[in-house]
This record gives sequence, C-alpha cells and structure tokens, in this order.
Amino acid sequence: AQSVTQLGSHVSVSEGALVLLRCNYSSSVPPYLFWYVQYPNQGLQLLLKYTSAATLVKGINGFEAEFKKSETSFHLTKPSAHMSDAAEYFCAVSFMNRDDKIIFGKGTRLHILP
Amino acid sequence: EAGVTQFPSHSVIEKGQTVTLRCDPISGHDNLYWYRRVMGKEIKFLLHFVKESKQDESGMPNNRFLAERTGGTYSTLKVQPAELEDSGVYFCASSQPPGLALYNEQFFGPGTRLTVL
Repeated sequence: AQSVTQLGSHVSVSEGALVLLRCNYSSSVPPYLFWYVQYPNQGLQLLLKYTSAATLVKGINGFEAEFKKSETSFHLTKPSAHMSDAAEYFCAVSFMNRDDKIIFGKGTRLHILP
Repeated sequence: EAGVTQFPSHSVIEKGQTVTLRCDPISGHDNLYWYRRVMGKEIKFLLHFVKESKQDESGMPNNRFLAERTGGTYSTLKVQPAELEDSGVYFCASSQPPGLALYNEQFFGPGTRLTVL
C-alpha cells in the first residue's frame, strides 16, 4: 500500500535558519510527489511537485525538494526561514493516473522563532 | 478567477443531526474531490467525481455519507445521522479535464470545519 511519513509533527526554526521538513514515501509504482502548505484559515496550496522530470524541484516562496529514489525521500528545504513561512506543511503522493487521488502525510507544523 | 469555495466554513451540530456541506469547484473543472482530516490524523481521500459521475468512492467511511454532484457543477456531501467521529475538516478540490498535461493539479478549497457534539 502507498503511504507517506512525515517526521516531526512540529518543527521550530529561527528566522533566517535553514528549514528542513522530512518526508518518506512508500510506493510500489513510480509516484508523483507533492508538498502542500496550509496557512491559517486558508485552503491547501501547492508548493511544488515532482512528476518524473528533474529530481530537484523548485517551488514557490524559495522552497525546494529533492526526489531521492534510493532513499524513498522527498525532503523540503528552504535556505533561510521567514516569519511568513509559519504554516502547516503536507507531503503527499499520487500516481501515474493523471487524475488520481492524493495520499497525504500527517502534516508538519512549522514554527518560526524570532 | 474564483477559486474553490466551500460552505459553510464552520458547522456545529449535535450527534444524530444531519449536515450538508457544499463545494463549488473552479469553473470548467470536471474533476471534483472530497477529502477529510480528522483531528490529529492525515488528510484522507473520500471520493472523486468526473462531471456528475462518481469515479472513485473508495474512501467514503460508511453509508451515512452521501455525495452528489447534480449537473456536474457544485457538489454536496451529506452526513446523516452525524456521529462524534465525523468531526473534522472537510476539504474539496477540483482539477481540469484530462489534457496534455502530465498531471492535473488539484486546487483546494479552505475547508469546512465540522464539529459534532
């Protein structure tokens, strides 16, 4: 069965520090991988996606993620955290059917310390 | 262009009552999805419409949940009768019809927070 594991339900980083949110997936077929962000009182917004092209994916707001097949990982990074990055982040997976459902991880709430 | 909208934003009901959630997808989006997040758990898929037809309803928890999409535009999700464990946030998402894109991005609404007392 396909699944997504996010390490850490809460992560705190100082403003200006590196952001690293970890995600591992389990899939028997080549996946599509995503990171979504949810700001307070808003819907889920797509940060970036991997769809079998380049393994290093750049997204909005300075975030990027690298697909590592050997490690079944898709960790999200940002070199320098801003206060506005405080939100909940979800790693997710879908499959080669273009309209398939999305399977989400449990989410990681990112706290930015001044 | 308006995004996916959901109504109501919050609903508080008592166990045994009925609640109907509504989702208006982005205009022209044939695909409509319902997801749910129960507190402390992951967001889980409920079902997928293509126009007015149910493409996949494998995530519907039981027969107390009824989803409809008459006319292929907006969708409703009715819970009858509601139970305590139905509390959570219900998300709706929509995406474009299949085309040349490798993947059709799902655009999410803000969700409806349902509390069953």
